[in-house]
Amino acid sequence: KNQVEQSPQSLIILEGKNCTLQCNYTVSPFSNLRWYKQDTGRGPVSLTIMTFSENTKSNGRYTATLDADTKQSSLHITASQLSDSASYICVVSYALNFGKGTSLLVTP
Amino acid sequence: NAGVTQTPKFRILKIGQSMTLQCTQDMNHNYMYWYRQDPGMGLKLIYYSVGAGITDKGEVPNGYNVSRSTTEDFPLRLELAAPSQTSVYFCASSYSEQENSPLHFGNGTRLTVT
Repeated sequence: KNQVEQSPQSLIILEGKNCTLQCNYTVSPFSNLRWYKQDTGRGPVSLTIMTFSENTKSNGRYTATLDADTKQSSLHITASQLSDSASYICVVSYALNFGKGTSLLVTP
Repeated sequence: NAGVTQTPKFRILKIGQSMTLQCTQDMNHNYMYWYRQDPGMGLKLIYYSVGAGITDKGEVPNGYNVSRSTTEDFPLRLELAAPSQTSVYFCASSYSEQENSPLHFGNGTRLTVT
């Protein structure tokens, strides 16, 4: 069964600090891995998309990594801001396999 | 640029009532999707469409119907609402299923069935 597991479930950090979110998957066949940011009451917004051959992709202060051998991905947020408070969702292979998300709260 | 627009934003239904959730996109995307998001759960695909006149079932299609008469519109129909259909519904679109084509989501419809 295809599964996408994200950890931690929730995270609280101080403004300005860095953090790393994890995504482990057992999806076959694998085509790409995407990270989305979902603000409260809004739809998800795409942050990064990585294919099998890519092992890192950046979007401003967001950097995603992919290890296709171990089937793991991480999303690193640098110098967090209050506006980073949101749920971060990992999606594997297009539109079907969604993780439950990591809820991030950045406090002053 | 409006992107993906969903209406209504909120709706309360009684058990057995029917309603249509509207979704329209102005990006000329061929692919459109309907998801539901339950608390603490990942998004589940209900139905999808790869172009006007073509629809297919996703992971959780029971209790729902869709149509795609134009490229822009992809309405979701609930015929006999049940409490299990209480959820937040998201519509999304994409240009293609190619690797670099992200999903563009609307801001959701929060539905409560009592």
